[in-house]
Amino acid sequence: EAGVAQSPRYKIIEKRQSVAFWCNPISGHATLYWYQQILGQGPKLLIQFQNNGVVDDSQLPKDRFSAERLKGVDSTLKIQPAKLEDSAVYLCASSLGGTGRQNEQFFGPGTRLTVL
Amino acid sequence: DQQVKQNSPSLSVQEGRISILNCDYTNSMFDYFLWYKKYPAEGPTFLISISSIKDKNEDGRFTVFLNKSAKHLSLHIVPSQPGDSAVYFCAAIAGGSQGNLIFGKGTKLSVKP
Repeated sequence: EAGVAQSPRYKIIEKRQSVAFWCNPISGHATLYWYQQILGQGPKLLIQFQNNGVVDDSQLPKDRFSAERLKGVDSTLKIQPAKLEDSAVYLCASSLGGTGRQNEQFFGPGTRLTVL
Repeated sequence: DQQVKQNSPSLSVQEGRISILNCDYTNSMFDYFLWYKKYPAEGPTFLISISSIKDKNEDGRFTVFLNKSAKHLSLHIVPSQPGDSAVYFCAAIAGGSQGNLIFGKGTKLSVKP
């Protein structure tokens, strides 16, 4: 079974530039998550999708961050414009969306963003 | 305010000995707890979980203990192996297993041969 795919793996941009990350979840997984992991911290949830609808985006800085999951499969996360404090690893995860072990989240390798 | 706390940033253990990683939480609504393991340049992978109705869950070399009154859980790895060297994250959910994961900052475990 293929895992969660993310691209690019690394990205370096200057502040005020825009950047987009892509995630392809495990086939059949209804729930998709984007996390931000700042160095030395644990992952923090940014947004959760159930199929192509948003379940929770309470911690997404909506003035600069946006995310979409068209057709309920792939997802993109965009930052526009980027700030220095956005430097982090952006992790995508997916789960079946059921209960118990069915809701186990599988993580992709992440995209490491450096904002200069 | 950190709801899930891992107060030891790092832990070094000799191969074959026991590794004990600790985690404290403040939110009494948390009722499902998980441990994730993370290698460099990879995403976290699920290791073991425990529901608040239990006080112990065991899976091979890994055992998680939950003390609800103390709001404390621990992960025991016996015996520790060099391949266990990784960052271990404690995570908690409110609302059964369907809520959002709240992660601690992680503990870096080094198992020395």
